[in-house]
Amino acid sequence: GAVVSQHPSRVICKSGTSVKIECRSLDFQATTMFWYRQFPKQSLMLMATSNEGSKATYEQGVEKDKFLINHASLTLSTLTVTSAHPEDSSFYICSAGWRSSGALGTDTQYFGPGTRLTVL
Amino acid sequence: GQQVMQIPQYQHVQEGEDFTTYCNSSTTLSNIQWYKQRPGGHPVFLIQLVKSGEVKKQKRLTFQFGEAKKNSSLHITATQTTDVGTYFCAGPQGGSEKLVFGKGTKLTVNP
Repeated sequence: GAVVSQHPSRVICKSGTSVKIECRSLDFQATTMFWYRQFPKQSLMLMATSNEGSKATYEQGVEKDKFLINHASLTLSTLTVTSAHPEDSSFYICSAGWRSSGALGTDTQYFGPGTRLTVL
Repeated sequence: GQQVMQIPQYQHVQEGEDFTTYCNSSTTLSNIQWYKQRPGGHPVFLIQLVKSGEVKKQKRLTFQFGEAKKNSSLHITATQTTDVGTYFCAGPQGGSEKLVFGKGTKLTVNP
């Protein structure tokens, strides 16, 4: 099956610093990657849709200047949490769009292992 | 906006008992997908249903897609401790590639 990696798996940082999270599709190309946030015992909340070579599309209520997304290639998207604060502490998960035919696009999503961010 | 509702929120069963979670969408879906998230883990894709009335099986797991393509269910026969986790259903939002997730059903299995 399709494999998506995410790095780092855990990060602890001081308030005010920026944190970059990488999401890679290892064995397939993905035109679309998605970034989610998950609070404890809750469902996945879509933050933004990242398309290769273009600007990300943010969901309502998500600050694009705070959560910077770059999709530089068909296998890599990055999320940078700028000037992180304790309320940004959460589990951030990326997913890559997959089409069973092998063509670019999204029928289903394969998720990375997630990054647990703790801001002190 | 489009909503995907999932019940029950929690389910505790004894090992060997059956388990079912139900998913209902406020709109007709082109497909529905199921994911499993183990405690401390990330969602893992289980299956996608596309056709009206479709039924698919994966060993002890049976997935159904309703005739109206607005509801779905996941049934596990004779649960095992390895089945613990949260099961999410998800459907595409409108004509986009985005998925709308249900709140999930957390399954615990007592040995």
